[in-house]
Amino acid sequence: DSGVTQTPKHLITATGQRVTLRCSPRSGDLSVYWYQQSLDQGLQFLIQYYNGEERAKGNILERFSAQQFPDLHSELNLSSLELGDSALYFCASSGPTSDEQFFGPGTRLTVL
Amino acid sequence: TQLLEQSPQFLSIQEGENLTVYCNSSSVFSSLQWYRQEPGEGPVLLVTVVTGGEVKKLKRLTFQFGDARKDSSLHITAAQPGDTGLYLCAGGVVGIQGAQKLVFGQGTRLTINP
Repeated sequence: DSGVTQTPKHLITATGQRVTLRCSPRSGDLSVYWYQQSLDQGLQFLIQYYNGEERAKGNILERFSAQQFPDLHSELNLSSLELGDSALYFCASSGPTSDEQFFGPGTRLTVL
Repeated sequence: TQLLEQSPQFLSIQEGENLTVYCNSSSVFSSLQWYRQEPGEGPVLLVTVVTGGEVKKLKRLTFQFGDARKDSSLHITAAQPGDTGLYLCAGGVVGIQGAQKLVFGQGTRLTINP
């Protein structure tokens, strides 16, 4: 158990819909990272937040957005969903001076 | 854009054999991490190497960071069925304002047959 929690575990929705994925980092970690993992793309970095502020952006679509709240949990919002958005979405967290990241169990999103 | 290439992508060997997985790049990384991922679960951190030439051992697993901090290898001795999984290497990149991010390789899917 990494100490990072993600909900829900599974999510099935239809094209055009909007969903929210939730992540709670390890106790004491200030950084939260979001990744997308699909079969043909590997693990792709989406976005990083540090203590409530956006820190780095990767290959995140404009239809996707994220935020980190004062209690340090984070949410990833995916809107206008397309079939190609079906993937595993992982959240990871790290401490303030380390680039070691600890991953949550992931959310499997299926868009029908 | 930093890229990490892992080889081989797939490897299936018999229990007891040795194997090496490679992770190569033309970019320099501040650190190199190896993860193992089981189907449907999140990657689990195995080791972090930060110094060029560094070697770390974790039971039957030996990790090495290249002298120039551009490549790494994972060697498993006497592989066991429990070693089966997806092995991912990830390079640490320091960006703007000190933001750290990881660049992942595509992974090596390892199968150890009893």
